[in-house]
Amino acid sequence: LAKTTQPISMDSYEGQEVNITCSHNNIATNDYITWYQQFPSQGPRFIIQGYKTKVTNEVASLFIPADRKSSTLSLPRVSLSDTAVYYCLVGDRGSQGNLIFGKGTKLSVKP
Amino acid sequence: NAGVTQTPKFRVLKTGQSMTLLCAQDMNHEYMYWYRQDPGMGLRLIHYSVGEGTTAKGEVPDGYNVSRLKKQNFLLGLESAAPSQTSVYFCASSGTSGRNNEQFFGPGTRLTVL
Repeated sequence: LAKTTQPISMDSYEGQEVNITCSHNNIATNDYITWYQQFPSQGPRFIIQGYKTKVTNEVASLFIPADRKSSTLSLPRVSLSDTAVYYCLVGDRGSQGNLIFGKGTKLSVKP
Repeated sequence: NAGVTQTPKFRVLKTGQSMTLLCAQDMNHEYMYWYRQDPGMGLRLIHYSVGEGTTAKGEVPDGYNVSRLKKQNFLLGLESAAPSQTSVYFCASSGTSGRNNEQFFGPGTRLTVL
């Protein structure tokens, strides 16, 4: 499975756009890139997934370059409630028992 | 739908005691997982199951046992608890259809071993 590398922490202010980049140099052809969000004292929850190019939903956007060796989660106009840990995962559907959450990126949004 | 539920929410054990954590899901998911989360360590997979009657080891299986007798339930057992097993335990489930690698998590169980 492709290992991922992401920053340990990031700080931002309310109203700013936040971009969190994840490196996955060994991504395989069948792998998808998935991001999870975890609030304190809660389990992680799925926020977005992509294979290539750009994906957008009501919560975030995910940018994936052509070589797929990295991906960027973009959170537009963050608020205090976006303070959380964000995990980048890489794997295909058969990776169910081998997904590695790692330590994630702790995003702190300040007023 | 309740989604994924975990019982109990909190528990304090003494070293050497045993206990079972129960995870239940009502989404008819084939896959179920047990993770532990320690401060600054992210989530680490303990055991998982790809279907009723099957289990497999994850990244940190030592000291734990699991059983999946029914599709909707996944039990995590600690036979002889140790202080190193103090952690927050999360259960998750996922299906074979829908989005790749989308796991649904329970609210967690906070376990303290004295």
